[in-house]
Amino acid sequence: GQNIDQPTEMTATEGAIVQINCTYQTSGFNGLFWYQQHAGEAPTFLSYNVLDGLEEKGRFSSFLSRSKGYSYLLLKELQMKDSASYLCAVNDYKLSFGAGTTVTVRA
Amino acid sequence: GAGVSQSPSNKVTEKGKDVELRCDPISGHTALYWYRQSLGQGLEFLIYFQGNSAPDKSGLPSDRFSAERTGGSVSTLTIQRTQQEDSAVYLCASSLEGAAGSNQPQHFGDGTRLSIL
Repeated sequence: GQNIDQPTEMTATEGAIVQINCTYQTSGFNGLFWYQQHAGEAPTFLSYNVLDGLEEKGRFSSFLSRSKGYSYLLLKELQMKDSASYLCAVNDYKLSFGAGTTVTVRA
Repeated sequence: GAGVSQSPSNKVTEKGKDVELRCDPISGHTALYWYRQSLGQGLEFLIYFQGNSAPDKSGLPSDRFSAERTGGSVSTLTIQRTQQEDSAVYLCASSLEGAAGSNQPQHFGDGTRLSIL
């Protein structure tokens, strides 16, 4: 079975940094995706990690440790538009999703 | 130029009726997926099509659910004899390839919000 855990909610201030953790126990692993989903909209792709280490993409970075079954998404210089749900998903040809972390950015 | 297109965007129907949801993937994408997202829940995998291979139906919750993909492109998800617990947003996604180990991201449509009265 698949077990993917992430915090339910996080709140941060505009301009700050937030780190969203994801731990997983899955029967297969071929990489981990992070998606952003604004309320009422489709998920959009943010990042993909298959090897251990940090992947940086502008204000967003994602880290993976396969031995620990752990990933995090780091959001820097938070903007109001970053208020959304962030979904961690493990790839084993289909995606198994965590329940998502709702991030609220306050002025 | 489009992304993944789903229709209808909203569907309200009475319990016991059949519904059909449509997904038009991005042109050239060989892999197509259906997911379900209930309120406050994560995405739940339903079914996966890859090229001409037999679909992976392991996520379908009951035999009331079925899906087909014609000509390797458009897909329809059919729910027969709908129940109130079927109320959810049904999301379709496509990717360039679906083989295990692929780093191709899945691109999602806006979903169909299904409400069963």
